[in-house]
This record gives sequence, structure tokens and C-alpha cells, in this order.
Amino acid sequence: KAGVTQTPRYLIKTRGQQVTLSCSPISGHRSVSWYQQTPGQGLQFLFEYFSETQRNKGNFPGRFSGRQFSNSRSEMNVSTLELGDSALYLCASGFTGGSYNEQFFGPGTRLTVL
Amino acid sequence: AQSVTQLGSHVSVSEGALVLLRCNYSSSVPPYLFWYVQYPNQGLQLLLKYTTGATLVKGINGFEAEFKKSETSFHLTKPSAHMSDAAEYFCAVTLNNNAGNMLTFGGGTRLMVKP
Repeated sequence: KAGVTQTPRYLIKTRGQQVTLSCSPISGHRSVSWYQQTPGQGLQFLFEYFSETQRNKGNFPGRFSGRQFSNSRSEMNVSTLELGDSALYLCASGFTGGSYNEQFFGPGTRLTVL
Repeated sequence: AQSVTQLGSHVSVSEGALVLLRCNYSSSVPPYLFWYVQYPNQGLQLLLKYTTGATLVKGINGFEAEFKKSETSFHLTKPSAHMSDAAEYFCAVTLNNNAGNMLTFGGGTRLMVKP
């Protein structure tokens, strides 16, 4: 079974631009979560989607948004990029909602903002 | 709210020596606890997890961890380090409350293994 895939793997943008990252979960998984990883702040939860609905949201500004499609694929968007948005963005998928179930992480998208 | 503290951002051991990575958590409800490993330029891989039941859990690659409620700890151990264990390790917690899959991570511990 294919794992979680994230595209693109690397991205370079300039301040003020916007960016869209994509995540395809493992087949059959309906939950997708996004995390930001930086050297200074570590791993921080952005948001979780389940059945096309945002279920949980972390403490990030409104410039960070996401959505999930009917096939469970998810995108996250960052508008008006800032230098501090440079990070590894990780996506994780899980089978169901409700009680916790194991999440599987993708390789991440490394975003560099110049 | 929950939080995770990993003592020691860097740990260095010799090959063949005991590996001990420390993790303490705080949680208002019974937690689920996890250890993940991250190799350079890769995502996170689950090493082991504690949900309910036996407090000593065994994971992949010879790692194990013990959930100690009285100490709010979930330390990761491996009897004998191997060069391939060099990586960054993250302890994480989520709440056992049917509220979804949000993980709270510790700051990570980079394990270095000396030959």
C-alpha cells in the first residue's frame, strides 16, 4: 500500500507570495493532519480534517488555511508569506476519526521563503 | 491542555551502550503516548505507542518505553545502541477523549552514536 505522499517536496517562494501544498493520504484513510516543523518552534499542529470538515485547529494565524476533498486529499495554503514561514510542513493521515488511531506521516514539503 | 518535555536536546552514546531518552508529559485526561523517529530529510516514523493496558511497550528496532503514571514519564530505552539509531526522536501525546488525532510533540532529542 502506498504511503502518504506530499507534493511538492521542495519549494522556494518570496515574501508576500502565497503557496499551496498538497497531501494524498494512504488509501482508505479519511483523517489528514498538518504540522509545521521549524528549528525554533519544533513540531506544531496546524489543523486536522476529517470527512472534508476541519475538526481541530492549532494556534496559527488566519494566513494558514486548509481544505480536504471528497477523496480525502488535502491541501494547505499559506497566504502573504513571511520569512518565518520557512519550515518543513508534514502531513499525516489516519484511518478514522473519533478515538485516536495511528497516524502515518509523509516525507514533508520543505518551504523556503526568501 | 497537554504538554511534553524532553530532557536533553542532544544525547551522545557509544555504539553498544544503553540508550535512554527522557520524556515527561502533562495531561488533564488519560493520555496516549508515542515515540517517533525522524531521519534526515524524512518524515516521522512511529517507534511505539502506549494507549491502554500493559505499561511496558515494545516497539520497532529494539526500542521500548514504560508508561509511569505516578512520574508522568514515558522514557524510551534500547539496551544496545547501533550506528543506525542516530536520528532525532520525538515524544508525543494526544488525549484519550475522542476529539481527534491532534498530537502535541516534545522538542525532540537528537541521538548521536559514536563508534
